[in-house]
Amino acid sequence: EVQLLESGGGLVQPGGSLRVSCAASGFTFSNSAMSWVRQAPGKGLEWVSVISGSGGTTYYADSVKGRFTISRDNSKNTLYLQMNSLRAEDTAIYYCAKSIRIAATPDYWGQGTLVTVSS
Amino acid sequence: QSALTQPASVSGSPGQSITISCTGTSSDVGNYNYVSWYQQHPGKAPKLMIYDVTNRPSGVSNRFSASKSGNTASLTISGLQAEDEADYYCSSYTSSSTRVFGGGTKLTVL
Repeated sequence: EVQLLESGGGLVQPGGSLRVSCAASGFTFSNSAMSWVRQAPGKGLEWVSVISGSGGTTYYADSVKGRFTISRDNSKNTLYLQMNSLRAEDTAIYYCAKSIRIAATPDYWGQGTLVTVSS
Repeated sequence: QSALTQPASVSGSPGQSITISCTGTSSDVGNYNYVSWYQQHPGKAPKLMIYDVTNRPSGVSNRFSASKSGNTASLTISGLQAEDEADYYCSSYTSSSTRVFGGGTKLTVL
């Protein structure tokens, strides 16, 4: 059974940093592209970033480019999102999701971790 | 990276059919068959209902169907049931190798 478990969310001040993680199991992690998608409270889904199975290719939404970094450790079956220079508008539930390749649809999603940026 | 355009809300009575539209551009919906639809109940993670324009994952009811014409994709739910009440999001791969979502449609079963 595919399982994706996000962790690391919490309260952080504007301008601060936070790293969220996604522990994966039930599938061959290194063969799967992985994405981060966020959802602000009461709002819709916003795609954030994607990384290839090898970790060699990454893409970002314009809203986070230069501030967020996606990475993965295939030896630990874990996906990361390092978030720097956080803003109030980054407040959201952050979901990780898997797909068979970068262009393909994310099929399985985790339950999300809440990141709140506030002073 | 503008969001795809969906109606904010749709409604229907049990047993009826409804259709949700999703309009993009030639840089996303119109140029790729990587259009998908998600269902999200309150407080839950999104669930994949349709991928690659028309395909249903295993376990998804055949009451859910979808299509695409030009820059617009559509999701149809037939034989509406109370449990179909949820938010629905379309999504597409883009020419920038990114992904874009629609703003979401709230389905109310009357």
